[in-house]
Amino acid sequence: AQSVTQPDIHITVSEGASLELRCNYSYGATPYLFWYVQSPGQGLQLLLKYFSGDTLVQGIKGFEAEFKRSQSSFNLRKPSVHWSDAAEYFCAVGAGNSGGYQKVTFGTGTKLQVIP
Amino acid sequence: DAEITQSPRHKITETGRQVTLACHQTWNHNNMFWYRQDLGHGLRLIHYSYGVHDTNKGEVSDGYSVSRSNTEDLPLTLESAASSQTSVYFCASSERRSSYNSPLHFGNGTRLTVT
Repeated sequence: AQSVTQPDIHITVSEGASLELRCNYSYGATPYLFWYVQSPGQGLQLLLKYFSGDTLVQGIKGFEAEFKRSQSSFNLRKPSVHWSDAAEYFCAVGAGNSGGYQKVTFGTGTKLQVIP
Repeated sequence: DAEITQSPRHKITETGRQVTLACHQTWNHNNMFWYRQDLGHGLRLIHYSYGVHDTNKGEVSDGYSVSRSNTEDLPLTLESAASSQTSVYFCASSERRSSYNSPLHFGNGTRLTVT
């Protein structure tokens, strides 16, 4: 079964600073990987996804993530954080089952605080 | 714009009562899902449906049931609410079963407290 680890529960960065959120996954084959963002009181919104091809993927809101198979990682980055990026970020891995559904397993989330 | 609407946004109920959380989507998606979100656990899948009259158990389905009588709605019922079911519940939908080309669209959640 697949699993996802987000080792950082909370991260605080200054506005304008760079950001990297860590994600490690466990899955036997090539996984589908995702980052979702959850603003307070809202549902989750997809930031970006990876399945194959270029290991550096671009997403919305200026985010990018890099897939590193050797490290089983899919870290999320942003070069310059804005106050509106304060939210909770979830890494997720998708894998197929016999019913054809891509079961999506979520990490426990990293809460990002942005200080002026 | 298409959306997923969950109601109520907040609910307080007593142990042992039956509770139903509503989920209505206007995406016209066949695939719908219920997740619960708890600190330290992220989101865990409760039930999901591929279409009308189809329901499937997720990883934490004990104590919950769903029914799918039309494309738009997937109500989640707690048969006899327990304090362990205090959580935030999210409904989601997707166009295809494959999540790569068909991301999950989420509602804004229902915060349920069982006293």
